[in-house]
Amino acid sequence: GESVGLHLPTLSVQEGDNSIINCAYSNSASDYFIWYKQESGKGPQFIIDIRSNMDKRQGQRVTVLLNKTVKHLSLQIAATQPGDSAVYFCAETGGYQKVTFGTGTKLQVIP
Amino acid sequence: GAVVSQHPSRVICKSGTSVKIECRSLDFQATTMFWYRQFPKQSLMLMATSNEGSKATYEQGVEKDKFLINHASLTLSTLTVTSAHPEDSSFYICSVRTGSSYNSPLHFGNGTRLTVT
Repeated sequence: GESVGLHLPTLSVQEGDNSIINCAYSNSASDYFIWYKQESGKGPQFIIDIRSNMDKRQGQRVTVLLNKTVKHLSLQIAATQPGDSAVYFCAETGGYQKVTFGTGTKLQVIP
Repeated sequence: GAVVSQHPSRVICKSGTSVKIECRSLDFQATTMFWYRQFPKQSLMLMATSNEGSKATYEQGVEKDKFLINHASLTLSTLTVTSAHPEDSSFYICSVRTGSSYNSPLHFGNGTRLTVT
């Protein structure tokens, strides 16, 4: 079936460096993508989203890039901080209510 | 501020008993709420879509008679795990979409950790 997956299960980054978290999706009908951050024992927290008519969107310290040709999504975090340590999920949807989540990447920030 | 409130945050119950989890949409009328389930170190899996005033829509493989969903008002959806067993132990999370279109993000509650002994 259709799925959303991630390349790296765990990413360790030095504090102050930039982080890049990747996500591959397979549903070509998906046209809305979201990144979530989940801290231990909590529900996912919305970070940033992007629609398929865009290839880049920037927020505060975060940037999402979308490459529809290869069905790839990435989240870039600038100047990574200890508080950024969490599991990050990409999610996608396409013209229907259901939102499908990727497998998640654990980001570990080394002080 | 929080968009979704979920209660309880943790619950321990004995095998064979039922547990009710509440999900409240704060300051927002939600005709639709979504219930997810998450096992340790795994992703979120959609269980069902809760529809106000009508039956919930369950995902394939989710037993509707075991996971009872009631969405009686625009601000409250409940998930009842009936005759719980240890394999039902999991993290249950509800969410709402505050926008009117599908291309608006879901906002999640802080989840309920269910442990069945």
